[in-house]
Amino acid sequence: LAKTTQPISMDSYEGQEVNITCSHNNIATNDYITWYQQFPSQGPRFIIQGYKTKVTNEVASLFIPADRKSSTLSLPRVSLSDTAVYYCLVGPSRAGTALIFGKGTTLSVSS
Amino acid sequence: NAGVTQTPKFRILKIGQSMTLQCTQDMNHNYMYWYRQDPGMGLKLIYYSVGAGITDKGEVPNGYNVSRSTTEDFPLRLELAAPSQTSVYFCASLLGGRDEAFFGQGTRLTVV
Repeated sequence: LAKTTQPISMDSYEGQEVNITCSHNNIATNDYITWYQQFPSQGPRFIIQGYKTKVTNEVASLFIPADRKSSTLSLPRVSLSDTAVYYCLVGPSRAGTALIFGKGTTLSVSS
Repeated sequence: NAGVTQTPKFRILKIGQSMTLQCTQDMNHNYMYWYRQDPGMGLKLIYYSVGAGITDKGEVPNGYNVSRSTTEDFPLRLELAAPSQTSVYFCASLLGGRDEAFFGQGTRLTVV
């Protein structure tokens, strides 16, 4: 399984764009990159997934360079409600593999 | 669709007691997972299943057991509860390996 490395924490202010980068140097050819968001006392929820280049949905954008050894989750114009823990997951390279969460990045948004 | 349902939401156990955390999903998902999350920490995988009759250990399986007799249900059994098992437990499911995972609301367990 590809190991991921993210910053432990980040701080931002309302209205700013936040970029959280995840390193995954040993990503396999068949691996996808998926980001989840977790609010206190809730289970994680899916934000976005991508394989290469750029993916955008109504919540966020995901930028993946050509070598796929890292990825960046971009949250445009954050609000207080975006304060949460964000997890980057890589996989699965084959069927039947586990879904492993790392420590995640705690994003704190202030007014 | 109710999604992923966990019961109970809260439970206090005494040391040495046993209990089963229930998890059921109505989305016909193949994959199901159990995680524990200690305060201020990330999720640790306890056990997972890729289909009925198939289970496998995760990162922290000691002290727990699971079964997967149906596609819908994936109960987690705690035998001889210990204070170290005080945690929030989350169940999750997904259809296939690259699909998004859906999580239950969690079970907050305290062992005293």
